[in-house]
Amino acid sequence: KAGVTQTPRYLIKTRGQQVTLSCSPISGHRSVSWYQQTPGQGLQFLFEYFSETQRNKGNFPGRFSGRQFSNSRSEMNVSTLELGDSALYLCASSLYWGAGQPQHFGDGTRLSIL
Amino acid sequence: KNEVEQSPQNLTAQEGEFITINCSYSVGISALHWLQQHPGGGIVSLFMLSSGKKKHGRLIATINIQEKHSSLHITASHPRDSAVYICAVSPVAGSARQLTFGSGTQLTVLP
Repeated sequence: KAGVTQTPRYLIKTRGQQVTLSCSPISGHRSVSWYQQTPGQGLQFLFEYFSETQRNKGNFPGRFSGRQFSNSRSEMNVSTLELGDSALYLCASSLYWGAGQPQHFGDGTRLSIL
Repeated sequence: KNEVEQSPQNLTAQEGEFITINCSYSVGISALHWLQQHPGGGIVSLFMLSSGKKKHGRLIATINIQEKHSSLHITASHPRDSAVYICAVSPVAGSARQLTFGSGTQLTVLP
């Protein structure tokens, strides 16, 4: 069974641009969560999607957005990129939305802003 | 907001040693997670627990809900255990995936 797949693995952008990252969950998993990891702030929750609906959002500006498709694949978008957006972006999937569901993480997309 | 503290920040051990990493949190939780992150960045979920103790191979995780404290033990450590170990907690209210993370413990096991 394939794991969580994130594409691309590495990305370089410049300030002001926008970027879209993709996450394909484990087959059958319907909940997808996104996290940001930076050296300064560590790991932080971005948002969570289930059944194509955003269920929760962390404390991030509106430049960070996402969506989920009917096949549970998810994308996150960051507009007007800033230097501080340089980070490892991790996606995790779980079977359902409810509590008690273990998460399975992808290898992440490393985004560098020049 | 929950504060999650891990100790130690860095740990170097000789192969075969017994290792303990500690995690404490400030507010009640629905579950606590232990995660392992290798240099490439990918994260593996080791344990999710809300009470008692869980064991998987050489790894043991315990949690004391009253004291708001959890420990991760590695018995007979091996160089392949070298990684960053991260503690994370799920809130009581809201989404279980809205995790609050500790800053991680960098473990290096020397042969």
